Amino acid sequence: GQQVMQIPQYQHVQEGEDFTTYCNSSTTLSNIQWYKQRPGGHPVFLIQLVKSGEVKKQKRLTFQFGEAKKNSSLHITATQTTDVGTYFCAGQSSGNTGKLIFGQGTTLQVKP
Amino acid sequence: NAGVTQTPKFQVLKTGQSMTLQCAQDMNHEYMSWYRQDPGMGLRLIHYSVGAGITDQGEVPNGYNVSRSTTEDFPLRLLSAAPSQTSVYFCASSYAGDSRYSPLHFGNGTRLTVT
Repeated sequence: GQQVMQIPQYQHVQEGEDFTTYCNSSTTLSNIQWYKQRPGGHPVFLIQLVKSGEVKKQKRLTFQFGEAKKNSSLHITATQTTDVGTYFCAGQSSGNTGKLIFGQGTTLQVKP
Repeated sequence: NAGVTQTPKFQVLKTGQSMTLQCAQDMNHEYMSWYRQDPGMGLRLIHYSVGAGITDQGEVPNGYNVSRSTTEDFPLRLLSAAPSQTSVYFCASSYAGDSRYSPLHFGNGTRLTVT
């Protein structure tokens, strides 16, 4: 079945350093979504990518969707303590409606 | 606007007991789903529904039942609780039966412990 792998599982950075998490799918995706979960909270939607090679930015966050629509990345420039949390990618296979499969998540710790 | 409401917030069960986790949304969303979250495992899809009267299995459906008699409600039933079902459970919903272009809205979660 469809699998979505995400690395790394944990990342500790010094405030001001950059951070990247990578997401890889075993199948071609129709779209990929990214979510952030603060400690003790629930996942909150950040963004969705649909087109091959798509790049979207939200302030210090840059999201990319691979040309083959099987991988994606989230890059945070100059991390801040407010970036702490777990970042999840979630993908939906082409032609498979309704099943959004999440990666394992990357937990980001930022040292002030 | 309440969004997605889950009850209870916390629950402790003994092995073999049954219970129902409640989920309700007031956004008229067609799509609803249940995930469990375990350390290092991310969010795993248990069951989902693309509309009233329609349900389907996700990645880890064993030991759980669902039904969708109304658009608003999507309860998750544990038939005979096992310690392996100790987890945090999230209900989520979105506009379209095909969640392709709709972000998921999550409830606050239910923390379940089975002893």
